[in-house]
Amino acid sequence: DTGVSQNPRHKITKRGQNVTFRCDPISEHNRLYWYRQTLGQGPEFLTYFQNEAQLEKSRLLSDRFSAERPKGSFSTLEIQRTEQGDSAMYLCASGQGFLKLFFGSGTQLSVL
Amino acid sequence: AQKVTQAQTEISVVEKEDVTLDCVYETRDTTYYLFWYKQPPSGELVFLIRRNSFDEQNEISGRYSWNFQKSTSSFNFTITASQVVDSAVYFCALSEAESGGSNYKLTFGKGTLLTVNP
Repeated sequence: DTGVSQNPRHKITKRGQNVTFRCDPISEHNRLYWYRQTLGQGPEFLTYFQNEAQLEKSRLLSDRFSAERPKGSFSTLEIQRTEQGDSAMYLCASGQGFLKLFFGSGTQLSVL
Repeated sequence: AQKVTQAQTEISVVEKEDVTLDCVYETRDTTYYLFWYKQPPSGELVFLIRRNSFDEQNEISGRYSWNFQKSTSSFNFTITASQVVDSAVYFCALSEAESGGSNYKLTFGKGTLLTVNP
């Protein structure tokens, strides 16, 4: 069990640029979640995969956001045409059911 | 709609003191799950405990204990004899059990920053 790995740990970008984050879940976990956390707030649900199928997306996930999980393994979260309001910590979590999720350390995005 | 309220934004205690973190939740479902997670400065959320809505039995695990009361929609967390390593942000979370059980997303409170001073 090597834990959930997220890369990069930090990303600084200019407004309007595209960014992509990667999440490597614990290998036997079939469920993968993306959450977003801003300063002083709890994580907010963005989207969820069961194996390679994206089963739910939050209304927080505008059409500039897209997530994939090819072959039910790692996942990527892409943000196109970034805005300053996208600045946040993006957290990935995985689980073999949902009742105990393992979280990564997150990717901190700063949009200048 | 589900909601989790952690009224305490920050708590500061001296080592060895007991401390209770409050959590109040709102849900229309009769079946739901409650969680506590710890987020140390490294940023990684660490699972502490899960309770389901049908199990009001309180639980003790080492220095940690949880008090679940459906009558007041509360799920409070107590750390006994706090230690400096307990310093972290603690989140309470709620998940409703959707029919079919296909997805359970967590709704988190805003968290309580606990600082334990030596």
